[in-house]
Amino acid sequence: GAGVSQSPSNKVTEKGKDVELRCDPISGHTALYWYRQSLGQGLEFLIYFQGNSAPDKSGLPSDRFSAERTGGSVSTLTIQRTQQEDSAVYLCASSGRPRASYGYTFGSGTRLTVV
Amino acid sequence: TQLLEQSPQFLSIQEGENLTVYCNSSSVFSSLQWYRQEPGEGPVLLVTVVTGGEVKKLKRLTFQFGDARKDSSLHITAAQPGDTGLYLCAGTSGNTPLVFGKGTRLSVIA
Repeated sequence: GAGVSQSPSNKVTEKGKDVELRCDPISGHTALYWYRQSLGQGLEFLIYFQGNSAPDKSGLPSDRFSAERTGGSVSTLTIQRTQQEDSAVYLCASSGRPRASYGYTFGSGTRLTVV
Repeated sequence: TQLLEQSPQFLSIQEGENLTVYCNSSSVFSSLQWYRQEPGEGPVLLVTVVTGGEVKKLKRLTFQFGDARKDSSLHITAAQPGDTGLYLCAGTSGNTPLVFGKGTRLSVIA
């Protein structure tokens, strides 16, 4: 597509439920990143996919968080047993080059509210 | 852990004024980037700087990378209401994902 597409744009869920957030990167972009942006905080790195390489999961805050990328394109971030502190905007970004030095193109994010 | 500190955290100015925002770290970065984010949207890349001392201009915006590649500044001349937004700096050592600062929230009042 022309840009990075994320869905849903907003999600309200009850504490303890599982949620799935979707990211459709720019066609042909091999690098895909997930970040989390909480109120008053900067963007917190979660996970990075590059081509067929094993993902860099070093930013995932707990084992309740997981992500996959199918066919080198669409990615899904799953949060199990959601907690109120998971409330944030989840941003996906993609890049046509493997090195972050070249910059990212971000989607508009999914605003997750856990009640 | 690489950290980027941005200052000021908030800035409210009148249209036509000049301003400078700063991004500082104790770490060396191979690349430093500036993004602008508007409400309900993702950050949009403004510029990438890679060489110590580098200066880049984008219309009324001037970006500078420190000589030691640990800090950067963004200067806006004659600010306009359309410049309102959250300005984020981000850095990488090359093979690592970008590390972001918490941003400077700029409000330009007409």
